[in-house]
Amino acid sequence: DAGVTQSPTHLIKTRGQQVTLRCSPKSGHDTVSWYQQALGQGPQFIFQYYEEEERQRGNFPDRFSGHQFPNYSSELNVNALLLGDSALYLCASSLGTGGSEQYFGPGTRLTVT
Amino acid sequence: EDQVTQSPEALRLQEGESSSLNCSYTVSGLRGLFWYRQDPGKGPEFLFTLYSAGEEKEKERLKATLTKKESFLHITAPKPEDSATYLCAVLGYGQNFVFGPGTRLSVLP
Repeated sequence: DAGVTQSPTHLIKTRGQQVTLRCSPKSGHDTVSWYQQALGQGPQFIFQYYEEEERQRGNFPDRFSGHQFPNYSSELNVNALLLGDSALYLCASSLGTGGSEQYFGPGTRLTVT
Repeated sequence: EDQVTQSPEALRLQEGESSSLNCSYTVSGLRGLFWYRQDPGKGPEFLFTLYSAGEEKEKERLKATLTKKESFLHITAPKPEDSATYLCAVLGYGQNFVFGPGTRLSVLP
């Protein structure tokens, strides 16, 4: 049973560039949430996708956008990268939006120079 | 606004020395409280879900309990492999998961 997978593992970008991160949910899950985790802090909720629509959004600017595909996989896009966007980006999948536990992927480490 | 705090920030234990981690929360209607373990540079690993005050869950050396304002993660006779950051998260009605900052646990042999 495949768990949550994310790609790439690591990424280095320059300020002002754009980045796309990818996530495949755990088998049987249909909901994907994205989090940003700065070093030494807990994950911060970015947004959640269900049925190919953004259902909820945290306190992140419009530079952060996403997409969910019919096979439930998802992308996170960040435009106009800032140094402060450097973090571990985590994808979590769950079944529905009713509050079941979320299972996390290994994350993508983004470094903005 | 839902909030989660965790204490202590860091904890060092000798192997076999039992202790407890605290998670205090404020939430407008609790749908669930979740405990995760996170190793450095990796994604959080799901441990427990608690739904109502008085509920307890156990897994190996870990036991999670829940009251109306806080949750405890009890670690009995820890081993070095239990060293990790332990994260607590709450889910309230109409909200999304809110994570605490975590407790960094080090278990020394």
